[in-house]
Amino acid sequence: AQSVTQPDIHITVSEGASLELRCNYSYGATPYLFWYVQSPGQGLQLLLKYFSGDTLVQGIKGFEAEFKRSQSSFNLRKPSVHWSDAAEYFCAVRAGNMLTFGGGTRLMVKP
Amino acid sequence: NAGVMQNPRHLVRRRGQEARLRCSPMKGHSHVYWYRQLPEEGLKFMVYLQKENIIDESGMPKERFSAEFPKEGPSILRIQQVVRGDSAAYFCASSPTRGVWEQYFGPGTRLTVT
Repeated sequence: AQSVTQPDIHITVSEGASLELRCNYSYGATPYLFWYVQSPGQGLQLLLKYFSGDTLVQGIKGFEAEFKRSQSSFNLRKPSVHWSDAAEYFCAVRAGNMLTFGGGTRLMVKP
Repeated sequence: NAGVMQNPRHLVRRRGQEARLRCSPMKGHSHVYWYRQLPEEGLKFMVYLQKENIIDESGMPKERFSAEFPKEGPSILRIQQVVRGDSAAYFCASSPTRGVWEQYFGPGTRLTVT
């Protein structure tokens, strides 16, 4: 069965520092992978997606993610974090008719 | 182009009452998905619908929960005889076609059962 693991429940970074959020997936076929961001009390906004092709994908708000098949990973990165990036981030994989989500990583940004 | 609309945003029900959650997909989208987010957890798939059809309800609890997406009007997620464990955020997402896997999410309905 498909699954998504986000090993870090909480991460705190200083404003201006770089960020990497980890995501590992388990899926038998070629995965379609997504990163979403959820601000407090809000819905989910799609940051970026990977379907095929170039394994480094660019998203909105300066985020990027790299698909590594050998490591079953799809880590999210940002070179310089802004205070407004504080939110919860979810990695997801398409599985049949649904998206399977990881448990989320809550990002806090220190001034 | 308005996004996915959900109402109400917050809903309080006493145990045993019924909860009705509504979702209007984005314009031009004919596929609707419902997910539930329990406190401190990720989203879990519940049901996938097209107009007048339930395509996949593998994530729906077997009892008390039902969903519909009529020819006209919003999709409805109905929870009968709510219990405290139903307290959660319920999110609706839509996509334009089955082959397009960008699901656009609404703001959610936060259900509190007292």
